[in-house]
Amino acid sequence: RKEVEQDPGPFNVPEGATVAFNCTYSNSASQSFFWYRQDCRKEPKLLMSVYSSGNEDGRFTAQLNRASQYISLLIRDSKLSDSATYLCAVTPGDYKLSFGAGTTVTVRA
Amino acid sequence: EPEVTQTPSHQVTQMGQEVILRCVPISNHLYFYWYRQILGQKVEFLVSFYNNEISEKSEIFDDQFSVERPDGSNFTLKIRSTKLEDSAMYFCASSEYQGSFTEAFFGQGTRLTVV
Repeated sequence: RKEVEQDPGPFNVPEGATVAFNCTYSNSASQSFFWYRQDCRKEPKLLMSVYSSGNEDGRFTAQLNRASQYISLLIRDSKLSDSATYLCAVTPGDYKLSFGAGTTVTVRA
Repeated sequence: EPEVTQTPSHQVTQMGQEVILRCVPISNHLYFYWYRQILGQKVEFLVSFYNNEISEKSEIFDDQFSVERPDGSNFTLKIRSTKLEDSAMYFCASSEYQGSFTEAFFGQGTRLTVV
């Protein structure tokens, strides 16, 4: 089983729509969880950390479900600029981040 | 805003040659990482480095790879004898450490092309 798995998508949504997707992780000892955004051939950029209680940053909401070992990201009121690949990242230990393969989101006008 | 910087942005090298990729992590960060991303594939962990030694490395990080922090600011990845399959984007990252893992920030990457 892969350390981190994501639905690759693509999710094609109109502007203003809500889109949500999950990421599952295999190591129950994972402590820290993050969502990164990656634009084509660019570096991953931190979007948000994911906390046990769930957290929100503007139009983005992240949730963590430790029992089922998944995290989720919800984007409300999608903008064209939200088109990107969203990478889930978890820390199976203290010294590294493991990434999923990414979920591609395309927002159309 | 502090950022991780990498040089060069693109390097082309002949198979069998040695390459050194350079990174300047964020100044107050203590943990440093190298990742790679082969075109169309996921971001893969290579190695983490703390307190002048390797903390963890992946199975990709074999004897052909080495890392070094030669001075107080640079962090380098050396590939001794490059292979075609080493062609990838290499990302350096750094993070603080506050008793547990904190957010890692990535440099813009070095695109390595082995011909």
